[in-house]
Amino acid sequence: QSVLTQPPSVSGAPGQTVTISCTGDMSNIGAGYDVNWYQQLPGTAPKLLIYRNTNRPSGVPDRFSASRSDTSASLAITGLQAEDETDYYCQSYDSGLSASFVFGTGTTVTVL
Amino acid sequence: QVQLRESGPGLVEPSQSLSLTCTVSGESLNSGRHYWSWIRQRPGKVPEWIGYIFYTETTEYNPSLKSRSLMSVDTSRNQFSLTIKSLTVADTAMYYCARGGGYCSAGSCYGSPWFDPWGQGILVTVSS
Repeated sequence: QSVLTQPPSVSGAPGQTVTISCTGDMSNIGAGYDVNWYQQLPGTAPKLLIYRNTNRPSGVPDRFSASRSDTSASLAITGLQAEDETDYYCQSYDSGLSASFVFGTGTTVTVL
Repeated sequence: QVQLRESGPGLVEPSQSLSLTCTVSGESLNSGRHYWSWIRQRPGKVPEWIGYIFYTETTEYNPSLKSRSLMSVDTSRNQFSLTIKSLTVADTAMYYCARGGGYCSAGSCYGSPWFDPWGQGILVTVSS
């Protein structure tokens, strides 16, 4: 069971904006550890979308943006496209009893 | 362009050990620019970080797997490896190697505490 909680699913029509939340606590996001976001297409490895809370790697469309506050973070996808329909994970470091890098519970985005 | 490729067996019997190797191209491990990690993903589950290694052989493991895991690095071949012993069916997963990780403490991490790029992954099935 992950310490970073995401909604199981979000959906939106093409062109709309969807937001995925990632809720942690004072042992991870609230402790100051950065949040990173990944997109995973079926049958492929996760791909880095956002690093250090708000930064996009080269090649990632600016439709993807992220923010972070207190003990949570969020990923926004604006101008939703059919190709965005897949799974998304947040990731951070947790300094709790089992200190390690952790991934969120995952969110499936559906384009209506 | 940095690329990673996993290699190893696709089928392992319960109670046996699993050994995987990650071959890195496009960046020298002994440049010391990054940490290097293993991550697995059980079928239908979220990714699970297993551990990282630095070219100096410094390692850190997920506490849930620490007692059964061992990572090593071969800078002459630009490879790093993972061994997990005493396998059970619960270890059946896609295993990925990735660039990233780092020492974290007091709210910050040294290194690149995100994972990019990833290898294509290798499916390991634990079954008799």
